[in-house]
Amino acid sequence: DAGVTQSPTHLIKTRGQQVTLRCSPKSGHDTVSWYQQALGQGPQFIFQYYEEEERQRGNFPDRFSGHQFPNYSSELNVNALLLGDSALYLCASSLGDRAADTQYFGPGTRLTVL
Amino acid sequence: DAKTTQPPSMDCAEGRAANLPCNHSTISGNEYVYWYRQIHSQGPQYIIHGLKNNETNEMASLIITEDRKSSTLILPHATLRDTAVYYCIVRVVGGTSYGKLTFGQGTILTVHP
Repeated sequence: DAGVTQSPTHLIKTRGQQVTLRCSPKSGHDTVSWYQQALGQGPQFIFQYYEEEERQRGNFPDRFSGHQFPNYSSELNVNALLLGDSALYLCASSLGDRAADTQYFGPGTRLTVL
Repeated sequence: DAKTTQPPSMDCAEGRAANLPCNHSTISGNEYVYWYRQIHSQGPQYIIHGLKNNETNEMASLIITEDRKSSTLILPHATLRDTAVYYCIVRVVGGTSYGKLTFGQGTILTVHP
């Protein structure tokens, strides 16, 4: 039973560039949530996707956008990268868009913005 | 979601029980207590959750006080691999909540040989 997978593992970009991160949910799960974790901090919720729609959003600017595909996989896009976007980006999957199911996390993508 | 308070760090000897406290004095009736841990630079790992009864699984036990204002995560026989940041999260389950997790700073547990 495959767990949550994320790609790439590491990524280096320069300021102003755009980046796309990918996530495949755990088998049987249909909901994907994205989190940003700055160094030394706990993860911060970015948004959640269910039925290919953004269901809930945290306090992040519009530069952060996402997409969910019919197979439940998801992408996180960040435009006009800033140095402060350097972080570990985590994807978590669960079943259903309500808070009734446990979220399971992937290993994360380490983004470095130079 | 209710706020949680955890000690910033704790130490434990290998083989001994690790007891990690969490205060959630403003918890509501429909909020569960969840525990995750994060080993350095990895994704958070789900440990256990509960509403008001004590819970046990293969990883840990969760003891919730009768008034639900605090809880304790117990790792019965800590190993070096249990060294991690442990997060206590209070989370609404059901209703119209979409289930985001709100992480605090957590407790850094260091298990010593």
